[in-house]
Amino acid sequence: GAVVSQHPSRVICKSGTSVKIECRSLDFQATTMFWYRQFPKQSLMLMATSNEGSKATYEQGVEKDKFLINHASLTLSTLTVTSAHPEDSSFYICSARDPSRDTRNTEAFFGQGTRLTVV
Amino acid sequence: QKEVEQNSGPLSVPEGAIASLNCTYSDRVSQSFFWYRQYSGKSPELIMSIYSNGDKEDGRFTAQLNKASQYVSLLIRDSQPSDSATYLCAVSGGSYIPTFGRGTSLIVHP
Repeated sequence: GAVVSQHPSRVICKSGTSVKIECRSLDFQATTMFWYRQFPKQSLMLMATSNEGSKATYEQGVEKDKFLINHASLTLSTLTVTSAHPEDSSFYICSARDPSRDTRNTEAFFGQGTRLTVV
Repeated sequence: QKEVEQNSGPLSVPEGAIASLNCTYSDRVSQSFFWYRQYSGKSPELIMSIYSNGDKEDGRFTAQLNKASQYVSLLIRDSQPSDSATYLCAVSGGSYIPTFGRGTSLIVHP
């Protein structure tokens, strides 16, 4: 399948600081990427849809000023958690579609995930 | 509100047995259905995708889709301890943004 690389895999930061997470599609161009958050024993909750060259679309209840998303190129999307607090500690996962693989609703390929711990 | 329901489990099966995982969804216009496997602390990995009613087989895995009853299932034959993981069902429609279930924890014991 298509390869999506996410970095870093694990980060610990102090409360009040900002953390940037990168998501790259390595062997395809992703016009759309998705950012999810997953709490322990819970499902993946979609935070936002990142569109190359335009503003991200945020899901209801997700603060766009706190979770800044930038999709400046066809292979890179970043999520910045600003002024992080302990309740932001979670597993953040990005995914991307490869529209060249199928004309139907293609499966999403996931990055490795980022375990964020805010202390 | 699109919903995807899964029994959280855990589902415990002996090694070599068939594991059967089920999923129901609420949106009748759903078109694409996926099963992902997620090991603890890792991101999901796609196992199967299915788009049409009936069965789709890939190695030890068989996905079954019944759109009339709005359910999709995953059978794992000859279950191995390495199959122990959480299995996520995902469903998407015209927007191609999948909605995930909470996952079913599978334990395969030797």
